[in-house]
Amino acid sequence: GAVVSQHPSRVICKSGTSVKIECRSLDFQATTMFWYRQFPKQSLMLMATSNEGSKATYEQGVEKDKFLINHASLTLSTLTVTSAHPEDSSFYICSARDRGDLNTGELFFGEGSRLTVL
Amino acid sequence: AQTVTQSQPEMSVQEAETVTLSCTYDTSESDYYLFWYKQPPSRQMILVIRQEAYKQQNATENRFSVNFQKAAKSFSLKISDSQLGDAAMYFCACDNAGNMLTFGGGTRLMVKP
Repeated sequence: GAVVSQHPSRVICKSGTSVKIECRSLDFQATTMFWYRQFPKQSLMLMATSNEGSKATYEQGVEKDKFLINHASLTLSTLTVTSAHPEDSSFYICSARDRGDLNTGELFFGEGSRLTVL
Repeated sequence: AQTVTQSQPEMSVQEAETVTLSCTYDTSESDYYLFWYKQPPSRQMILVIRQEAYKQQNATENRFSVNFQKAAKSFSLKISDSQLGDAAMYFCACDNAGNMLTFGGGTRLMVKP
């Protein structure tokens, strides 16, 4: 199946700093990528939909100034957690849909990134 | 809006036996897809099986099969001949034809040797 790579897999940062997480589709083009957040022992919560060449669409309750999303190319979306605080510590997962396969419905997931804010 | 409900937070099965995980959903779309994803301790989401809503035939992938009841909006996963490697979190999900994937709360499956 298609491969989505996320980097870094783990990051520890100090409170007040910003952290960037990258999501890349390695063998397909993704017009749309999705960013999820997962708390321990909970389900995935959609944060935002990242659209190539346009602004991301954020879910209700997600601060767009806090979680900056950029989708500059068909293979790369980035999530930047700005001025991170301990409550931002979580597991962040990206996913992507193959642009050439929009009707199959299948999403391919990255490996996830664990953010710990001290 | 669409919702997905998994009523079993945890399930346990003896190795080599069969277990069924429940899922119900609600969507106003007529065209949608249903999925079961597995999330092992590595946290990587792995697609187990998928079902197109317009197909009446239940999807099957080796030891994994679904019971899709469209009228009842039910989409259960049956795992036959359970293996130790099947132990994981299982998430049911509904995708309304390309717009958005909504996950259920998950079911933790434990496999006893």
